[in-house]
Amino acid sequence: TQLLEQSPQFLSIQEGENLTVYCNSSSVFSSLQWYRQEPGEGPVLLVTVVTGGEVKKLKRLTFQFGDARKDSSLHITAAQPGDTGLYLCAGARSGGGADGLTFGKGTHLIIQP
Amino acid sequence: GAGVSQSPSNKVTEKGKDVELRCDPISGHTALYWYRQSLGQGLEFLIYFQGNSAPDKSGLPSDRFSAERTGGSVSTLTIQRTQQEDSAVYLCASSLVRTGYGYTFGSGTRLTVV
Repeated sequence: TQLLEQSPQFLSIQEGENLTVYCNSSSVFSSLQWYRQEPGEGPVLLVTVVTGGEVKKLKRLTFQFGDARKDSSLHITAAQPGDTGLYLCAGARSGGGADGLTFGKGTHLIIQP
Repeated sequence: GAGVSQSPSNKVTEKGKDVELRCDPISGHTALYWYRQSLGQGLEFLIYFQGNSAPDKSGLPSDRFSAERTGGSVSTLTIQRTQQEDSAVYLCASSLVRTGYGYTFGSGTRLTVV
């Protein structure tokens, strides 16, 4: 059972365009993280959102946690080639620990110059 | 160390051989996790350590997989009698305490079973 569904799976856009990727679940999470992974490297934590409805900004990236804490979105404004990578969302169900972090399959993002 | 270190970075082994993968977490991080990442799949949880204890081994795919952690630091994941379906990237992560606030990952070990 895939607890976290990410969409789209693949996205290829031109430099300068905006995009949104989604992370959806029927489960409630106590917190949700977004990671970015480049080829040959491990995932790198971008942000953690904790409160329903929370919005966090990281330069051109805007992260939102759904009011019901079941879903999240990542919006990138004016995408750059350096944004290319695999974006993973991960939810903590129990508030901590191994049984609390479930990963989605990721969104492969390619930004073409 | 400054980050999570994994070795080797790449490992090619023959089917049926045993392999050992090593993870050296960030100094002081008490929680350590092993995940497996296969093409087209998300990160699959394998095992979690709190200190030297493994309270959650539920993700280990079979009894050919085992892991240990010594001195609350270095961990070794051992796969016995490797099979081709074991081919994947094995990722280790650590966190300061048992937390849902994000992990620091190593770069992984790419295992290829031929």
